[in-house]
Amino acid sequence: QITLKESGPTLVKPTQTLTLTCTFSGFSLSTSEVGVGWFRQPPGKALEWLALIYWNDDKRYSPSLKMRLTITKDTSKNQVVLVMTNMDPVDTATYYCAHSNTIFAEFDPWGQGALVTVSS
Amino acid sequence: QSVLTQPPSASGTPGQRVTISCSGSSSNIGTNTVNWYQQLPGTAPKLLIYSNNQRPSGVPDRFSGSKSGTSASLAIGGLQSEDEADYYCAAWDDSLMEVFGGGTKLTVL
Repeated sequence: QITLKESGPTLVKPTQTLTLTCTFSGFSLSTSEVGVGWFRQPPGKALEWLALIYWNDDKRYSPSLKMRLTITKDTSKNQVVLVMTNMDPVDTATYYCAHSNTIFAEFDPWGQGALVTVSS
Repeated sequence: QSVLTQPPSASGTPGQRVTISCSGSSSNIGTNTVNWYQQLPGTAPKLLIYSNNQRPSGVPDRFSGSKSGTSASLAIGGLQSEDEADYYCAAWDDSLMEVFGGGTKLTVL
């Protein structure tokens, strides 16, 4: 059974850097074609894809946020970390990570999500 | 503004069949497969349909997906109260990013 769980601060101040960790079990990020993606969903709004990292360390970023995002993996710890710089109140959202078993494929399952509020 | 276009709302009575549309372009739906996610209130998204029309294990066959050209559709037959949720379509874009629809809120009357 594959599970993922997001962790990180619930509150960050404007201009600060957000670091979120996705800890997973039931699969290995060293297995061919496996990937982990990050998404977010502002309160009452739609889902937005942020970034994706594959087993071979190939990384993809949302073009609109690319300059602010960094995604890394620690295969030995079964973790994927997303760093987002220069946080703004508009970045207030629930952040999700999710598993993908094939390149450019669907995401399944998803973590429970972590609400991050950006406020001074 | 979402890249894929969905109606913001849909509704039906128990037992009815409801269809939700998703419109894209040649760079996403036109060349890549479509996935659908169901998000029940207060919960994380769940994969409902993948590769245009495939159901993951455990998803009832009341849910079906289709794709034609640059559009896709999700159909829910025999509507049930527990189907009340937000539904999102998604696809990879040739610009190498995952794009989503704005979501459709389904109400069971």
